[in-house]
Amino acid sequence: DAGITQSPRHKVTETGTPVTLRCHQTENHRYMYWYRQDPGHGLRLIHYSYGVKDTDKGEVSDGYSVSRSKTEDFLLTLESATSSQTSVYFCAISVLAVSTDTQYFGPGTRLTVL
Amino acid sequence: ILNVEQSPQSLHVQEGDSTNFTCSFPSSNFYALHWYRWETAKSPEALFVMTLNGDEKKKGRISATLNTKEGYSYLYIKGSQPEDSATYLCALSPGNQFYFGTGTSLTVIP
Repeated sequence: DAGITQSPRHKVTETGTPVTLRCHQTENHRYMYWYRQDPGHGLRLIHYSYGVKDTDKGEVSDGYSVSRSKTEDFLLTLESATSSQTSVYFCAISVLAVSTDTQYFGPGTRLTVL
Repeated sequence: ILNVEQSPQSLHVQEGDSTNFTCSFPSSNFYALHWYRWETAKSPEALFVMTLNGDEKKKGRISATLNTKEGYSYLYIKGSQPEDSATYLCALSPGNQFYFGTGTSLTVIP
């Protein structure tokens, strides 16, 4: 798992409530990513970070915000959860291997918005 | 956003059969192509990364080839076993962002 943990692993919440998912890494990698996985769509990038306080949007960033105040933690926040945000969320880190980066994934968080 | 396509979407094979599937991608501005194996209820696991046209990688019964000029990569599994059942993802990484295909779901029937 490349030293990546995600919390919580499962969450059920109601529409309109705020939700924060946490990704924690132990190896001080610079790049961290949040993806969502939905049937028929594979993995889609929500946001990523290239350092403390440095973040950028991905393909499906609407309705999500992120923060990275420490190298080891990357937080994903749904300010007001909607049913369309029911998904499995994966955090990833990017590790330089030989000539290029490879991404390694956390165990995932299953979020259900009722 | 780069369009990475995988085919077929799903595949059922008998134990012992060999199989292969395809990842297609834009051939311009190529940097690296990645294959991942993704078992149900687990996280994607990196299999191969390939950067050069003509690259071939092998890990046990699984191998992959890369053609950057025409924009495709093949993943081969020789003598499929039930434990090979998983979704196989490919991803293009022109930089630090990865663009994933939707995967090929492989089921190996004992």
